[in-house]
Amino acid sequence: AQSVTQLDSHVSVSEGTPVLLRCNYSSSYSPSLFWYVQHPNKGLQLLLKYTSAATLVKGINGFEAEFKKSETSFHLTKPSAHMSDAAEYFCVVYRDDKIIFGKGTRLHILP
Amino acid sequence: NAGVTQTPKFQVLKTGQSMTLQCAQDMNHEYMSWYRQDPGMGLRLIHYSVGAGITDQGEVPNGYNVSRSTTEDFPLRLLSAAPSQTSVYFCASRRDRYYEQYFGPGTRLTVT
Repeated sequence: AQSVTQLDSHVSVSEGTPVLLRCNYSSSYSPSLFWYVQHPNKGLQLLLKYTSAATLVKGINGFEAEFKKSETSFHLTKPSAHMSDAAEYFCVVYRDDKIIFGKGTRLHILP
Repeated sequence: NAGVTQTPKFQVLKTGQSMTLQCAQDMNHEYMSWYRQDPGMGLRLIHYSVGAGITDQGEVPNGYNVSRSTTEDFPLRLLSAAPSQTSVYFCASRRDRYYEQYFGPGTRLTVT
């Protein structure tokens, strides 16, 4: 069975500093992993996806994530946070025909 | 190409009432799903469908019913609304099992 754990419910960073949002998955085989973002009172938007082609995945708005099988992790990073990055981020794993969401990490950007 | 559409955007129900949340997509996607979003819980899967005539339960199916008579439509029925069903509901579709999922704008439901 596959599941996903987002290790932090809230993360606060200062504008211009790096962002790290952590996600661990459990899987008995190579998973399909995604990150989605939800801005306040908005729908969900795909940031990036991993489907085994490359371990370092680049997404939109300067975000990227690295798939590390040995650590069963798929952490989301960005070198320099912007105020517009304030949102909730969801790590998502595909399990058979179902899609399982993590509980989300709310990213706060401090001026 | 409208993508995934949901109606209504907002709804207030009294306990015990029934209603149907509508979802439609025009991308000819086989897979469609319903989620509810509650603070601190992420999105939880209610029901999903892998094609017309095929539906299955997700994590939190109790109190909800679905059917999929066409590829385009996937309505969610609340049989007898309860305050615990107050939530934001999202419908989503995708082309196939491992493809990106597209979300509708959501329906905010309040049950009093």
